[in-house]
Amino acid sequence: ETGVTQTPRHLVMGMTNKKSLKCEQHLGHNAMYWYKQSAKKPLELMFVYNFKEQTENNSVPSRFSPECPNSSHLFLHLHTLQPEDSALYLCASSQDKGSYNEQFFGPGTRLTVL
Amino acid sequence: AQKVTQAQTEISVVEKEDVTLDCVYETRDTTYYLFWYKQPPSGELVFLIRRNSFDEQNEISGRYSWNFQKSTSSFNFTITASQVVDSAVYFCALSEAAGANSKLTFGKGITLSVRP
Repeated sequence: ETGVTQTPRHLVMGMTNKKSLKCEQHLGHNAMYWYKQSAKKPLELMFVYNFKEQTENNSVPSRFSPECPNSSHLFLHLHTLQPEDSALYLCASSQDKGSYNEQFFGPGTRLTVL
Repeated sequence: AQKVTQAQTEISVVEKEDVTLDCVYETRDTTYYLFWYKQPPSGELVFLIRRNSFDEQNEISGRYSWNFQKSTSSFNFTITASQVVDSAVYFCALSEAAGANSKLTFGKGITLSVRP
C-alpha cells in the first residue's frame, strides 16, 4: 500500500451507534490531520497530531474523539453523532507540522448519520 | 486571520478551452505559503503546487500554469487546452508561517466540468 489509506470508505450509522474511522499513512510522515468536508463549505480542520501528540483541536464536539497510537495511524472514534455530522471525513499527513509542507490526503470516509 | 476566497463556484468549459480558476487570499503575515489541490471524484485531494510568499515567479507545468501576484493578493491557476480528466474540484489554500499555530486554510473550492 502506498500513500494515505482510509477505512471504511463508506459508513452509515445511527445516532446511538459507536464507530471508528481509521487512517494509515505509508509515507514516513510525522504529522497527521482529520478534516471534515461538508457540501458547499470549505474543508474544516478538526485535529492535528505531530509526532503522536495532539497539537490542535479546532473546537470539535466531544462526540468526536481522535486517537494516534503511532505516527502512521490515526483514528477518529465516533459516538452519539447527529445528522449534521454527515460529511466526507478526510485524513491527511505531512512530513511535520511546518507550514511549508504539502499535505497528502486519503480518499476519505463518506459518513451518513441517520 | 487568514482567509481564502474562491469566488467562482462552478465552471463548465468544452474540451480544449483554456480556463482560469481565481484565488484571492488575506493574511497579515509577510511569510506564507499558497497551495492548489485537485479533488477528483474519487475523493482524495491531490497536491498540485506550493508557492512561498517571496517567490512571485509564475510557474508552468505542462498544461498548468500559476500566476502569483502579491499586489492583488491573488494566486490564479490556468489550465490550457482543458481535457475531460481535468474535471474535479480545485482548492486554493493558504498557510501562514506562524510556527506552532500554523494551519492550512482552504477556499470553498471550484467545481470544474470539462465537456467533450
